[in-house]
Amino acid sequence: AQTVTQSQPEMSVQEAETVTLSCTYDTSENNYYLFWYKQPPSRQMILVIRQEAYKQQNATENRFSVNFQKAAKSFSLKISDSQLGDTAMYFCAFMTNSGYALNFGKGTSLLVTP
Amino acid sequence: DARVTQTPRDKVTEMGQEVTMRCQPILGHNTVFWYRQTMMQGLELLAYFRNRAPLDDSGMPKDRFSAEMPDATLATLKIQPSEPRDSAVYFCASGWGRAGVTSTDTQYFGPGTRLTVL
Repeated sequence: AQTVTQSQPEMSVQEAETVTLSCTYDTSENNYYLFWYKQPPSRQMILVIRQEAYKQQNATENRFSVNFQKAAKSFSLKISDSQLGDTAMYFCAFMTNSGYALNFGKGTSLLVTP
Repeated sequence: DARVTQTPRDKVTEMGQEVTMRCQPILGHNTVFWYRQTMMQGLELLAYFRNRAPLDDSGMPKDRFSAEMPDATLATLKIQPSEPRDSAVYFCASGWGRAGVTSTDTQYFGPGTRLTVL
């Protein structure tokens, strides 16, 4: 079975600070994709960042970056210069190259305070 | 700005009524997914279509749920009869998959339909 674990149900950060959200996963496959999705109160699931397992370089999208540790099966998300609009539920997700369903973690609720 | 659209945004209905949710995938995408989100179960895959053909609907209760793609621009999810336990947010997602490869490298989600069955 493939599982995704987000060990931090809730986190809080002050505006302009940096925060890191944790995610670990379990799979026996070698080729897969990892994602972070953001779900603000509007309910929309928004893709934040994507990582291909065969790429050693960590993905970066503006203020969002990941720390991908394949051997440790860890995929954390770092948000730099946090903004009030970053307040949302963040889901880590995983998909194998041979599959099609996204396996989601339970999510981390992030609150950015002024 | 290409995006997945879903209608209705919210639906409140009474137990036993038929519910139809609609999704327009991103133009050019050949793969459509239906997911359900609940507090207890999180996000679960209900159905998966490639080139309009249903390839996996094992996540759906077969006796009451049905999913179709009448054409490349429309996917529907129908519940008949609806029950209170069907209350959830239903997401449609689309992506592009290469021939011979089951996965899509990225799935783009619509805004979801929040269904409440009384």
